Amino acid sequence: DQQVKQNSPSLSVQEGRISILNCDYTNSMFDYFLWYKKYPAEGPTFLISISSIKDKNEDGRFTVFLNKSAKHLSLHIVPSQPGDSAVYFCAAGDNAGNMLTFGGGTRLMVKP
Amino acid sequence: DADVTQTPRNRITKTGKRIMLECSQTKGHDRMYWYRQDPGLGLRLIYYSFDVKDINKGEISDGYSVSRQAQAKFSLSLESAIPNQTALYFCATSDNGPRPQHFGDGTRLSIL
Repeated sequence: DQQVKQNSPSLSVQEGRISILNCDYTNSMFDYFLWYKKYPAEGPTFLISISSIKDKNEDGRFTVFLNKSAKHLSLHIVPSQPGDSAVYFCAAGDNAGNMLTFGGGTRLMVKP
Repeated sequence: DADVTQTPRNRITKTGKRIMLECSQTKGHDRMYWYRQDPGLGLRLIYYSFDVKDINKGEISDGYSVSRQAQAKFSLSLESAIPNQTALYFCATSDNGPRPQHFGDGTRLSIL
């Protein structure tokens, strides 16, 4: 049973608009969450993280929101750029720094 | 030079062959991980090591073994490859505690 789920396998957005990628988790022990971006033929690259003591974390165009009661996190990209086209993975772990559990990924396509 | 280097980048082999995938890092991290990626399933953990004398099974360790030769080197072996082990394999490293993992560029393995 997947403990971390990304229910949208793909998302298409116009350049300049907002991209919203969603992720749900089931394990209430998770308290550290990350987003990774992956281009073809490259490894996943860390994008942004959030601890469960926060509900929002921003880094430039990227903002991650965490709703603990709903066990849901989202990544907002504003404004979206064609170079953001990639597969995005969410991941969850515990604050002891043990293993991460990854979602299945969402392919984002930003159209010029 | 890449911080996390995986060799080979691509490998095609036959059922029953023994294969070794290698990973080396220059980040000075104690923790190293091996994942496999299959379409729609995200990254699943095969084995992880928190230091040179520590080896732990992950979610899908059957059919695989690992060796941590030094802090900087962590290799993954398939003793007798089978076609359903065809996948993209990633090595990752991290600092201790809740820290992002840093990935290599992967090995695309095909077993005929």
